[in-house]
Amino acid sequence: ETGVTQTPRHLVMGMTNKKSLKCEQHLGHNAMYWYKQSAKKPLELMFVYSLEERVENNSVPSRFSPECPNSSHLFLHLHTLQPEDSALYLCASSQGADTQYFGPGTRLTVL
Amino acid sequence: GDSVTQMEGPVTLSEEACLTINCTYTATGYPSLFWYVQYPGEGLQLLLKATKADDKGSNKGFEATYRKETTSFHLEKGSVQVSDSAVYFCALSDPDSSYKLIFGSGTRLLVRP
Repeated sequence: ETGVTQTPRHLVMGMTNKKSLKCEQHLGHNAMYWYKQSAKKPLELMFVYSLEERVENNSVPSRFSPECPNSSHLFLHLHTLQPEDSALYLCASSQGADTQYFGPGTRLTVL
Repeated sequence: GDSVTQMEGPVTLSEEACLTINCTYTATGYPSLFWYVQYPGEGLQLLLKATKADDKGSNKGFEATYRKETTSFHLEKGSVQVSDSAVYFCALSDPDSSYKLIFGSGTRLLVRP
């Protein structure tokens, strides 16, 4: 499945680093999402962008900063993260509020 | 609030056994229901969906029927294969926030040869 791609697939960073996760969708969709998947917890929706405008922000700490420059690309900028932020970060896209299609995820480890 | 409850895993089966993974939901309104599958080291893939009561979703030998009277969407397969080993997530679309999916906690399936 190459409809939604994410880079990097794995990332290790220190608490003082700044890094960015990238997501690109090739499906012609107009909505994009960031989710966090932690061990033994349900998937958590972090952000939703529709037509490049943020429409959902589920009380995510400010150390996570999303950016959606166009309908095909979504970034998650990370700075001064905590070890508990270690997780699999999943990107998804959809056409409107229709079915969401997910990327392979970025496995983030914060030391 | 709206929620999805899945059976606890892991579920361990022998190849060619029958599979049922239970999923029940609580929702106001009329949500769409989904099953996603996550293979090791990968993201979530849509397996099947149903958008209204009595709809049956099916894909790759898996089926699930939207049962409004029992608020259930159980996943079934008649004969599992080793390659079906994965984590299965039941989800519903939030009727109050059309972009929001509410996921269950996932059920790990392990199929032994």
